[in-house]
Amino acid sequence: GAVVSQHPSWVICKSGTSVKIECRSLDFQATTMFWYRQFPKQSLMLMATSNEGSKATYEQGVEKDKFLINHASLTLSTLTVTSAHPEDSSFYICSALAGSGAKNIQYFGAGTRLSVL
Amino acid sequence: AQSVTQLDSHVSVSEGTPVLLRCNYSSSYSPSLFWYVQHPNKGLQLLLKYTSAATLVKGINGFEAEFKKSETSFHLTKPSAHMSDAAEYFCVVTLSLSSGSARQLTFGSGTQLTVLP
Repeated sequence: GAVVSQHPSWVICKSGTSVKIECRSLDFQATTMFWYRQFPKQSLMLMATSNEGSKATYEQGVEKDKFLINHASLTLSTLTVTSAHPEDSSFYICSALAGSGAKNIQYFGAGTRLSVL
Repeated sequence: AQSVTQLDSHVSVSEGTPVLLRCNYSSSYSPSLFWYVQHPNKGLQLLLKYTSAATLVKGINGFEAEFKKSETSFHLTKPSAHMSDAAEYFCVVTLSLSSGSARQLTFGSGTQLTVLP
């Protein structure tokens, strides 16, 4: 299947700093990527839909100024957690949409564990 | 609106015995259904998918699932559990939208599978 690379896999930062997480589709182009957040022992919560060349679409309750998303190319989307605080500590997972129409499938990155001290 | 319910939050089986993870869905339209597996601190791996073709879907690692429209179910099964199957499993539903449309996934709450030696 298609490969999605997410980097870094784990990051520790001080409160008030910003952290950038990268999501790359390695062997396909992805017009659309998704960013999810997962709390311990819970399911994935969709944060935003990232579309190449346009502004991301954020889910209700997600602060767009807090979680900046940039999808500058067909293979790269980035999520920047600005002025991170301990409550932002979580597991962030991206996915990229491969294929078209009824055959498109989301392929997931391995996730990034963010710990804010 | 669409939703998915995973009926068991935890399932324990002995190694070598069958696995059954239950999933029921609700969708106003023809759904596409997926099972993903997540190992600890890892991203999600696609096990199998149903997209309106054969109702019995075979996936990786010996897993399979049967789409039953009359029961609105998509249960995941495996004849013989292996220790490496211990993980979190997510049932996911999405609408079959028009060609080219990006599709959002709706995740079930997850089932933690424990395999006992």
